[in-house]
Amino acid sequence: NAGVTQTPKFRILKIGQSMTLQCTQDMNHNYMYWYRQDPGMGLKLIYYSVGAGITDKGEVPNGYNVSRSTTEDFPLRLELAAPSQTSVYFCASSYLAGGRQFFGPGTRLTVL
Amino acid sequence: QKEVEQDPGPLSVPEGAIVSLNCTYSNSAFQYFMWYRQYSRKGPELLMYTYSSGNKEDGRFTAQVDKSSKYISLFNRDSQPSDSATYLCAMSPSNEKLTFGTGTRLTIIP
Repeated sequence: NAGVTQTPKFRILKIGQSMTLQCTQDMNHNYMYWYRQDPGMGLKLIYYSVGAGITDKGEVPNGYNVSRSTTEDFPLRLELAAPSQTSVYFCASSYLAGGRQFFGPGTRLTVL
Repeated sequence: QKEVEQDPGPLSVPEGAIVSLNCTYSNSAFQYFMWYRQYSRKGPELLMYTYSSGNKEDGRFTAQVDKSSKYISLFNRDSQPSDSATYLCAMSPSNEKLTFGTGTRLTIIP
């Protein structure tokens, strides 16, 4: 099993550009999550999904959108990128809502 | 007040030392407690998972939960250079999202 995979690993965007961060898991987990991690700030939940077709906002959803058309994929869309969205983005999945989460390797995004 | 508080460090200790990492929390509904280890430029990986109060041991690591004091700890009794990483505590009530601490950066000096 590959676990949770994320693409791209790195990306530089200009202000106002848009992009999609890809996340795929092969563990047949229903729960998937997107976090951002800023230095010294821990992990902040952006959006999460409890199954295909169901998504909900986390702690910091502004400026982001998600969709979940399949169990495996949970892409994160950034519209109109801003410098405040410079961060490391992690996708995670879990079998249970409060259970062990498996994380991807992260996407390092810089907005200039 | 943050729901989960964790000293960010950084913390540097010599190889072989006993290391204690701690988190405090304010939500008495938390029942599931975890410690994740995150190496530089990698995603977090689960290190320890405990339910409710008590101790759990796994190799060199021991996790303790004291729900009466709202305090959790992770002990490493024989720290190795390969343990140099950021350690994040995480916790949740039953069947809900995890709340993470900010992480403690630990360096083990050979």
